[in-house]
Amino acid sequence: DVKVTQSSRYLVKRTGEKVFLECVQDMDHENMFWYRQDPGLGLRLIYFSYDVKMKEKGDIPEGYSVSREKKERFSLILESASTNQTSMYLCASSFGTSGSYNEQFFGPGTRLTVL
Amino acid sequence: AQSVTQLDSQVPVFEEAPVELRCNYSSSVSVYLFWYVQYPNQGLQLLLKYLSGSTLVKGINGFEAEFNKSQTSFHLRKPSVHISDTAEYFCAVTESPGGSYIPTFGRGTSLIVHP
Repeated sequence: DVKVTQSSRYLVKRTGEKVFLECVQDMDHENMFWYRQDPGLGLRLIYFSYDVKMKEKGDIPEGYSVSREKKERFSLILESASTNQTSMYLCASSFGTSGSYNEQFFGPGTRLTVL
Repeated sequence: AQSVTQLDSQVPVFEEAPVELRCNYSSSVSVYLFWYVQYPNQGLQLLLKYLSGSTLVKGINGFEAEFNKSQTSFHLRKPSVHISDTAEYFCAVTESPGGSYIPTFGRGTSLIVHP
């Protein structure tokens, strides 16, 4: 059974803390993505990566950075957490950079609360 | 650039009634179309996708969707819903063929099934 796992389901942090969200996929997928999901706004792409050490900004990259040192792992970093980063964070992966027909596989999400 | 509009943010329905969740898209090129479902406190999973061929696509859990190119729509239907279908449903598009593999998501439709 293919899987995308995220390190935490729920996380509570304080304003100003550095926060790491980890995502691991076991499908040997080239592409990995980080989204945030907020009520009424749907999914918004933060960053994505199409290869190890490669990263591209999505629609809302401000306040975030990412790291992809290994193919199976994609980390999202909040350098200095703020209350407006309280949200559900979803990691996803997909196969192939030329395969726009390939669906994404999602992790269960991390619900982050910044106090 | 492409866009996706899910016309209803919330659809309440009684158990065993039929349901249609509407999705319209805008794109200057051909597209691939996807429906994802998100059950409470979970990530998204693929319900079905349209790549080519028959415009009627069958997915998991008794759902189906019809691609209508002239109306640029990809509405999702189920003839008889269950309580367990209560979830958030997302329509998504990518460019075809060989286009960007980054999907554009709609804002989601919350399906609420009442007993």
